[in-house]
Amino acid sequence: AQTVTQSQPEMSVQEAETVTLSCTYDTSESDYYLFWYKQPPSRQMILVIRQEAYKQQNATENRFSVNFQKAAKSFSLKISDSQLGDAAMYFCAYRGGANSKLTFGKGITLSVRP
Amino acid sequence: GAVVSQHPSWVICKSGTSVKIECRSLDFQATTMFWYRQFPKQSLMLMATSNEGSKATYEQGVEKDKFLINHASLTLSTLTVTSAHPEDSSFYICSARAGGQGAGLRGYTFGSGTRLTVV
Repeated sequence: AQTVTQSQPEMSVQEAETVTLSCTYDTSESDYYLFWYKQPPSRQMILVIRQEAYKQQNATENRFSVNFQKAAKSFSLKISDSQLGDAAMYFCAYRGGANSKLTFGKGITLSVRP
Repeated sequence: GAVVSQHPSWVICKSGTSVKIECRSLDFQATTMFWYRQFPKQSLMLMATSNEGSKATYEQGVEKDKFLINHASLTLSTLTVTSAHPEDSSFYICSARAGGQGAGLRGYTFGSGTRLTVV
């Protein structure tokens, strides 16, 4: 079974600084997708960024980028120029190629200091 | 973009009664919908997967008779908590996935969640 591990329960970053959230996963599949979701206090799940496993190029969405290391099974999220609105819980998620279920990590609570 | 509407956003019910939560995909056809339960500061726990026109697939440990899921159309799935008890109080979230080419990368669209309180 696939597992997703987010070992850091909490992190804090100064506004305008850069922070990296870690995520590792375990799978025997070669075809899969990885996601980072943000859940602000409103509890609405928001897709931040996604990565196809067969693509070597790291995905980027404005201030958000990932460091995808397929061999190491690592998928970290980097947030540049952190803003107060980035404060939220962040979940790393995995979806296998043949399976439609999302497997979530435990999540990490990110706080942003003004 | 894809929008999923979930209602109600919050509900309070008496112990022993049933509560129905609706999840609608507004601008796409959701071939698959998922129902999650989330406790404060914790991750989403998948309860069941429903495909339009077929019976839901429940995760291990989830009571099928307590959490009834119906996915009668490509735009609507419902979760009914039957004979609710205080321990069923939680935050319930649905998500929907469109079918077709490229569905895997499009990911999933989530509803805004329902806070259920059983008194």
